[in-house]
Amino acid sequence: QVTLKESGPGMLQPSKTLSLTCSFSGFSLSTSGMVVSWIRQPSGKSLEWLAAIDWDGDKYYNPSLKSRLTVSKDTSNTQVFLKITSVDIADTATYYCARRRLGVMDAWGQGASVTVSS
Amino acid sequence: DIQMTQSPASLSASLGETVSIECLASEDIYNNLAWYQQKPGKSPQLLIYYASSLQDGVPSRFSGSGSGTQYSLKINSLESEDAATYFCLQDSEYPRTFGGGTKLELK
Repeated sequence: QVTLKESGPGMLQPSKTLSLTCSFSGFSLSTSGMVVSWIRQPSGKSLEWLAAIDWDGDKYYNPSLKSRLTVSKDTSNTQVFLKITSVDIADTATYYCARRRLGVMDAWGQGASVTVSS
Repeated sequence: DIQMTQSPASLSASLGETVSIECLASEDIYNNLAWYQQKPGKSPQLLIYYASSLQDGVPSRFSGSGSGTQYSLKINSLESEDAATYFCLQDSEYPRTFGGGTKLELK
C-alpha cells in the first residue's frame, strides 16, 4: 500500500524558512521513473505545483518560486524535503506531496497546513 | 508555462444527470492530462489519467476524452457522492499546471 505523509511546523513567522518533510512507504524513490512532487493549495483556491525530484536525483522547480525553493531527498529514498525561504502571508496553504509513477501523479499525502503569521 | 483554462468554475446539477467539465491547454499536451476529485478537507483523488484512462477503483460513470489542447471530464448518472471540486492537471511539461477547478453541487 502506497502512503505519503507531509509534516511541517504548522505555523511560522514571515521571513523565516519553511521546512517540510514528505515521508512515504509502499514504494522507493530509487525505482526508475519514480518522482515525488510538492503541490500547495491556499484555502478555497486551486492547486499550485511547486517542485519535484526524481529517482535519478534530478530536480524541477516552478520558475515563479524557483529562487526560494530547494527540494531534496534522503539517502534511503523514503523521504523528500522541501525548503521555502523568506516566507510571507501568501505562502499560507496546505502543502501536499504526491507520487508520480509511470507518468501519472497517482497518490497524494493528506496535506500539511502551514500558516505564516506574525 | 502551459496555462490550463477550466470551465465552468461551478456547476449545479441533479441526481441522475450527466455533466461535463472542460479543460483547455494553451498548447498541445499530447494527452498528458489527468482529472482529480477533491472533497473538503481531503487531498485530490485521481480519476482519469492520460486523458481517458480510468484509475482503478473509480466508478465507470466517470470518463475522460480529448486530445491536443482540449479535454473533458464527463460524469454520467450523478450520485450524491460526486459533489466535490474537480481539477485538471497537465502532466506534459514542467512546471506542471492545474486548472482553476470546478465546484460541482448536487441539487
